Amino acid sequence: DAGVTQSPTHLIKTRGQHVTLRCSPISGHKSVSWYQQVLGQGPQFIFQYYEKEERGRGNFPDRFSARQFPNYSSELNVNALLLGDSALYLCASSRLWGNYGYTFGSGTRLTVV
Amino acid sequence: EDKVVQSPLSLVVHEGDTVTLNCSYEVTNFRSLLWYKQEKKAPTFLFMLTSSGIEKKSGRLSSILDKKELFSILNITATQTGDSAIYLCAVEQGGGSNYKLTFGKGTLLTVNP
Repeated sequence: DAGVTQSPTHLIKTRGQHVTLRCSPISGHKSVSWYQQVLGQGPQFIFQYYEKEERGRGNFPDRFSARQFPNYSSELNVNALLLGDSALYLCASSRLWGNYGYTFGSGTRLTVV
Repeated sequence: EDKVVQSPLSLVVHEGDTVTLNCSYEVTNFRSLLWYKQEKKAPTFLFMLTSSGIEKKSGRLSSILDKKELFSILNITATQTGDSAIYLCAVEQGGGSNYKLTFGKGTLLTVNP
């Protein structure tokens, strides 16, 4: 089984631009969550989607948005990029029900210059 | 405010030593506690703990949860250089179809030969 795949792996953007990050969950996993990990910190929750609906949102500004598609893949969009958005963006997929934990992708390293 | 606190934040040991990593938490809607190992990008799953006092083991690693005192420990015996990584503790919160992970800052473990 393929793991959680994220694309792109690295990205450099200029302040004010927007970015779209993509995630494909493990087959059979219907829940996808997004996390932001700034250097030296633990990952911070951004969004959770289940069955194509937003189920949870962390303390992030409205510049951050996401969606989940019928095949359960997901996109994270960030508008009007700031230098502080530079981070590793991680996607996690889960079956949600039962004690199976969360599987993380390798992330997208976003650098805003 | 939900918080997960890990200690120590960094640790340097020699191969063969035994280490204990600590994680305390104060959160609402506790569902489980998870440990992850992060070497480069993707955090990799180690343990998921839901019940107090039941030790989980995997090779040289073991972990236990105390839901009364709100903490967990991760033990690594006979450490090897390959154990060098950031160890993340996360608490799963939620209910219904709404879940999120709240992470600590992580413990950076360095194992010297």
